[in-house]
Amino acid sequence: QVQLQESGPGLVKPSETLSLTCNVSGISITSGYYWGWIRQPPGKGLEWIGSIHHSGSTFYNPSLESRVSISVDTSKNQMSLKLKSVTAADTAIHYCARRGDFGDSFDRWGQGVLVTVSS
Amino acid sequence: AIRMTQSPSSLSASIGDRVTITCRASQDIYNYVAWYQQQPGKAPKILIFAASALQSGVPGRFSGSGSGTDFSLTISDLQTEDLATYHCQQYHSYPLTFGGGTKVEIK
Repeated sequence: QVQLQESGPGLVKPSETLSLTCNVSGISITSGYYWGWIRQPPGKGLEWIGSIHHSGSTFYNPSLESRVSISVDTSKNQMSLKLKSVTAADTAIHYCARRGDFGDSFDRWGQGVLVTVSS
Repeated sequence: AIRMTQSPSSLSASIGDRVTITCRASQDIYNYVAWYQQQPGKAPKILIFAASALQSGVPGRFSGSGSGTDFSLTISDLQTEDLATYHCQQYHSYPLTFGGGTKVEIK
């Protein structure tokens, strides 16, 4: 079955770059779906970061667009997230997810990884 | 960005109760709404897409309705495993946005 698994450092210093990877298994990342990143500050709601298609088509949240980059590595069946110049406000659980068959809802999610921004 | 206003922010109900959560969009989004369940410590799980279509494998006690700006999620026969936070999401236009969440507690 389709599985997504996030990985990356759990602690990032302020002003540095947050880097996460989403490993996709059970399906090829080139299968035609869009893949996305969503984050959730502890105890708060969900915020969409951005989405990507393996063709390179990307959509970003304007609130983060100047600092964010999402890419796909088809050879590794992975998606990556980079968020630069982080502050404490970027502390959150980060999820990768697959867009479903009917519009930009998300039908498969990874378990999430907590990234804390602190010196 | 389209704002999704969800209410109530929390509720407490008994096993077997019928529970309804609402979500109001700041503009017409037709039926481009999804609902998610997030159990404590877990990732969100999709329940409903296209406002009223039940995701495969989701129990039939969950239902969604609405169009335009007003949407609702109903749990018809609350079970202990329904203890969770529920989120609505619009996908009419970018940026994709979520409601603030509704925490459902069991009395």
